[in-house]
Amino acid sequence: NAGVTQTPKFRILKIGQSMTLQCTQDMNHNYMYWYRQDPGMGLKLIYYSVGAGITDKGEVPNGYNVSRSTTEDFPLRLELAAPSQTSVYFCASSYRRATEAFFGQGTRLTVV
Amino acid sequence: LAKTTQPISMDSYEGQEVNITCSHNNIATNDYITWYQQFPSQGPRFIIQGYKTKVTNEVASLFIPADRKSSTLSLPRVSLSDTAVYYCLVGGVETSYNTDKLIFGTGTRLQVFP
Repeated sequence: NAGVTQTPKFRILKIGQSMTLQCTQDMNHNYMYWYRQDPGMGLKLIYYSVGAGITDKGEVPNGYNVSRSTTEDFPLRLELAAPSQTSVYFCASSYRRATEAFFGQGTRLTVV
Repeated sequence: LAKTTQPISMDSYEGQEVNITCSHNNIATNDYITWYQQFPSQGPRFIIQGYKTKVTNEVASLFIPADRKSSTLSLPRVSLSDTAVYYCLVGGVETSYNTDKLIFGTGTRLQVFP
């Protein structure tokens, strides 16, 4: 059982570069989320989706974009990387609102 | 969304019972209370969820008083491996006004000593 899979696990970007963080889940969950977690801090919601074709902003959406073309995939796009985006990114999914959410192992991103 | 307040940190020793209290004064009628555990360098993991009174599973117990304005996560006989950050979340399963966002607070950092 794969659950929520994130790729890559680690990445170093130069300022101004772009990249896509991949997230896929095999549990047929409707809800998917992207979080960032800075060292020693809590999780901040970036974007979320309640189903294919539906996305909405979270607490800290600036500098990011998402899409949800399928139930399984929820990629996060960084267009112009900045040092402030250095963080660990977690993707999560849940069947319904406020039900148990399952998290991926995270992507550690460093922007230099 | 109901705002939650938890202690920033707690210390305990192995074998002791640990109780972490979460305050959520403006909890809504349809809101559930959910706790997650996060180890360093890992994503959070669901521990327990409840609506009222008491819920128990193999990992923890959740106590919710009648007014539901607070809740207490109880970890029996903690071990070193229980050292983690614990998050309390409040949200509704299905209501017309509740947001779909899953918002984490700052959590409680539990340190267990030998």
